Amino acid sequence: EAGVAQSPRYKIIEKRQSVAFWCNPISGHATLYWYQQILGQGPKLLIQFQNNGVVDDSQLPKDRFSAERLKGVDSTLKIQPAKLEDSAVYLCASSLRGGSNTGELFFGEGSRLTVL
Amino acid sequence: RKEVEQDPGPFNVPEGATVAFNCTYSNSASQSFFWYRQDCRKEPKLLMSVYSSGNEDGRFTAQLNRASQYISLLIRDSKLSDSATYLCVVNARGGGNKLTFGTGTQLKVEL
Repeated sequence: EAGVAQSPRYKIIEKRQSVAFWCNPISGHATLYWYQQILGQGPKLLIQFQNNGVVDDSQLPKDRFSAERLKGVDSTLKIQPAKLEDSAVYLCASSLRGGSNTGELFFGEGSRLTVL
Repeated sequence: RKEVEQDPGPFNVPEGATVAFNCTYSNSASQSFFWYRQDCRKEPKLLMSVYSSGNEDGRFTAQLNRASQYISLLIRDSKLSDSATYLCVVNARGGGNKLTFGTGTQLKVEL
């Protein structure tokens, strides 16, 4: 079974530029998450989708971050304009339901962003 | 106060040692609890769930104390391959089934 796919794996940009990350979850997984993991910290939830609807985006900096999940499958996360503090690994995860029953999220390998 | 707090370590232990990690959570409405493992520069993966009665999976034992809002993970007979960061994860149902991760505790098992 194919896992969660993410691209690009690495991205280096200058501050104030824009960047977009793509995620393809495991087939059949209704719930999709974007997490931000800064070096030395645990993953922080940015946004959670159930199918193509947003369940939780309370920690998404909406002045610069946006995410969408059209057709309830693939998702993109965009940052515009980027700041130095956005340097992090952006992890996409998916689960069959909300993750509440088993707690098992399946993560992609992440997209490592460096903002100079 | 952070929602989920862990000692970041690192814990450096010799092979064969027993090591314990602790985690505290702030939301008393939290319903379910997990330990994830994250290898260096890799993605997190579920290690085990934590049940109220405590549970064991081979060399790993997880325990929950709801009254103290405290979770623990015990690793017996540690192996070199156990070297990783262990993330405490809490699901606060009142928060919309959102999984909140701790900062992780780094374990290094040495010869």
